[in-house]
Amino acid sequence: EVQLVESGGGLVQPGGSLRLSCAASGFTFSNYWMSWVRQAPGKGLEWVANIKQDGSEKYYVDSVKGRFTISRDNAKNSLYLQMNSLRAEDTAVYYCARDYEGLDPWGQGTLVTVSS
Amino acid sequence: SYELTQPPSVSVSPGQTARITCSGDALPKQYAYWYQQKPGQAPVVVIYKDSERPSGIPERFSGSSSGTTVTLTISGVQAEDEADYYCQSADSSGTYVFGTGTKVTVL
Repeated sequence: EVQLVESGGGLVQPGGSLRLSCAASGFTFSNYWMSWVRQAPGKGLEWVANIKQDGSEKYYVDSVKGRFTISRDNAKNSLYLQMNSLRAEDTAVYYCARDYEGLDPWGQGTLVTVSS
Repeated sequence: SYELTQPPSVSVSPGQTARITCSGDALPKQYAYWYQQKPGQAPVVVIYKDSERPSGIPERFSGSSSGTTVTLTISGVQAEDEADYYCQSADSSGTYVFGTGTKVTVL
């Protein structure tokens, strides 16, 4: 069964940092682009970033450029999102998703709350 | 920044047809994808590459494209189809964007 499990969310103060992880199983992780998507409470979906199979290409939404870094470790079947200089508007559920014929599947999400 | 525009809400009676549109300037050049999200759950792709249906998605879900508008059609709507629906595509630089979302209510 293809499965994605996010972890690392929590409460952080404005200006702080957090590192999200996404553990993949049930498929050959190194064969796929991967994405992070977020959803603020009661709001719509916002794509955040994606990364090529070998990590050689990365793309970001403008609002996180220079603050967030997407990375992966194919040996550990894991995807990461390093989030620095966090702002209140970064508060959201963060999902990882496999990028193939659409974003499919998605993990269950991990909640990041930025607040003092 | 690139935007995909959807109607905020669509209401439909059981057994009728629901159509959800998504408009964006780059849609003639980029594929569109559709996701269904039920409360408290992660989204699920219901249409990929404009009109392809993933395995396990009911045949009542279909997608089409015409110019700068793509459409998700749900034929013979069932109560279980009540959810939020989002289109998604890419801009010319390869970054992804989601539509504004449409809440489908089954009357």
